Amino acid sequence: QSVLTQPPSASGTPGQRVTISCSGSISNIGSNYVYWYQQLPGTAPKLLMYRNNQRPSGVPDRFSGSKSGTSASLAISGLRSEDEADYYCATWDDSLSGRVFGTGTKVTVL
Amino acid sequence: EVQLVESGGDLVNPGGSLRLSCAASGFTFNNAWMSWVRQAPGKGLEWVGRIKSKADGGTTDYAAPVKGRFTISRDESKDTLYLQMNSLKTEDTAVYYCTTDGITIFGVPMDVWGKGTTVTVSS
Repeated sequence: QSVLTQPPSASGTPGQRVTISCSGSISNIGSNYVYWYQQLPGTAPKLLMYRNNQRPSGVPDRFSGSKSGTSASLAISGLRSEDEADYYCATWDDSLSGRVFGTGTKVTVL
Repeated sequence: EVQLVESGGDLVNPGGSLRLSCAASGFTFNNAWMSWVRQAPGKGLEWVGRIKSKADGGTTDYAAPVKGRFTISRDESKDTLYLQMNSLKTEDTAVYYCTTDGITIFGVPMDVWGKGTTVTVSS
């Protein structure tokens, strides 16, 4: 079972803004950077956000990340059909001495 | 272009063993920290473990569910990462992904992913 909690689903119409939360604890999010991964249907995950709020080259600026205390969030503004995917947060957990993923959020574009 | 190609996935009986391979290209494998991540059917991502570069000690870290049963190793002469899986359980059934740590962006974990290889543990 994951130590990072995400809502199982989120949805919006094209053009809307969707926000996904990732809740952890002092030993993981509270002490380390948060990363976000996007998994399109039937494909391998891809790095979407690093060090809380940095976008890799090629990731649209519609995607933004933030972190506060023991929680983090990913926002998608100007939602598009190609954003339909599963999204996972991840970080290092100092207590477990290992990397941990969130439970995952499926984003649906209505 | 950075590429990771996993192989070795198969159907195996509970209690059996399997070795997965990940062939790396397009970057200096010797310097790379590497990780394995798995995804059970219809489930989320689960970190399996990682191995540091030899220059950084070549040490390994594992997730609790696989510690003592799985071993990650690397062969610099073949630019290949391995995952030796012993005492397999049905709950190890998953797609196993090989990933790099910090290849495209320094210090960033799991920045490049392979396409995965499927392991099915069933009698």
